[in-house]
Amino acid sequence: EAQVTQNPRYLITVTGKKLTVTCSQNMNHEYMSWYRQDPGLGLRQIYYSMNVEVTDKGDVPEGYKVSRKEKRNFPLILESPSPNQTSLYFCASSREVNQPQHFGDGTRLSIL
Amino acid sequence: AQKITQTQPGMFVQEKEAVTLDCTYDTSDPSYGLFWYKQPSSGEMIFLIYQGSYDQQNATEGRYSLNFQKARKSANLVISASQLGDSAMYFCAMRELYGSARQLTFGSGTQLTVLP
Repeated sequence: EAQVTQNPRYLITVTGKKLTVTCSQNMNHEYMSWYRQDPGLGLRQIYYSMNVEVTDKGDVPEGYKVSRKEKRNFPLILESPSPNQTSLYFCASSREVNQPQHFGDGTRLSIL
Repeated sequence: AQKITQTQPGMFVQEKEAVTLDCTYDTSDPSYGLFWYKQPSSGEMIFLIYQGSYDQQNATEGRYSLNFQKARKSANLVISASQLGDSAMYFCAMRELYGSARQLTFGSGTQLTVLP
């Protein structure tokens, strides 16, 4: 089954404790991206990747890191999480940049 | 500047009736794509329909159609024969193919409630 898999689905943690949200897709897609969703703001892009080893900042990259060492994986790293990063996070992928994106089921992060 | 504007935070429609969800956008890029996504209360994001800026005809996918008015920079979603399962949050999004780092920009969403 074609899918984008995010882990974990839910995480409660404390300020400053490094965490990684994994994202993997099995569709051989070139383009992957991370979004955060906050009430009243829709989805805002954090980082995106056009291909392996090619990543770039979206609208809200501060406090986040990403890497794209393999085509299928695009982890999101919070080196020192803060409460303002409490949000619902989505990973997405598409075959090309102008194709519809397939979204993961989301990861709900709570930073205390 | 807001690139995608959805002016209806909430909408109600009677079951079996049609409903139009508004979306206006702002871009100077001649090449762009417009997308609509549905987010049910369970949280997943479901792609509904796509319209390219050079497409001559309005996109349709089953009960969904996109009323694309390029000169007005609007891309309204029309849902015909509403069903209870259509109750969800709907997001309009745009990707500029050459500007703004080719990222996908979302509107703030419209919460649609279908009444029985």
